[in-house]
Amino acid sequence: DTEVTQTPKHLVMGMTNKKSLKCEQHMGHRAMYWYKQKAKKPPELMFVYSYEKLSINESVPSRFSPECPNSSLLNLHLHALQPEDSALYLCASSRVGVKAFFGQGTRLTVV
Amino acid sequence: GENVEQHPSTLSVQEGDSAVIKCTYSDSASNYFPWYKQELGKGPQLIIDIRSNVGEKKDQRIAVTLNKTAKHFSLHITETQPEDSAVYFCAAYGKLTFGQGTILTVHP
Repeated sequence: DTEVTQTPKHLVMGMTNKKSLKCEQHMGHRAMYWYKQKAKKPPELMFVYSYEKLSINESVPSRFSPECPNSSLLNLHLHALQPEDSALYLCASSRVGVKAFFGQGTRLTVV
Repeated sequence: GENVEQHPSTLSVQEGDSAVIKCTYSDSASNYFPWYKQELGKGPQLIIDIRSNVGEKKDQRIAVTLNKTAKHFSLHITETQPEDSAVYFCAAYGKLTFGQGTILTVHP
């Protein structure tokens, strides 16, 4: 099983809303990642959790707040987003340092 | 930080031809190099990877070569098929930084 499950698949939110993206894996991976991907661009790293601790934050604005409640779950809390934050948000997981598997992403539209 | 350059940005081949995509990386500490295929509306799919202690790896029609001294690595697809059409990304670990992507189109 190499599945990373992301919910929801699509999300439309207003600039004053608070919403959360969810990611789940049951491969026993101890590294989990959030990426942002704009159209026709590569995925851009946002956050990395290693053993449930935040190890990398790529200077992401505070309106994005990650959370790793346990080794299988990763959340991304969204608040006061801007229209330019509209993108595909991808979650990935891996054993630390190798073979990252990606979910299908959440298509986020901020209106 | 790590910088990964990928070329070409687009590649068009006839079915049955070979396709080669090249990447260079900047951080000599990078030790793992995966390649991903991304189809429209989907997440990236890992297709092959190579560690820094290996020079070449092959999996059926796909192969990856790594030149650690020159800090470049390449993806080779032989006997291309229309279903190989997608965006391909190289990456370097460090921090799993992606190249800019190559749009591969295989014409029947």
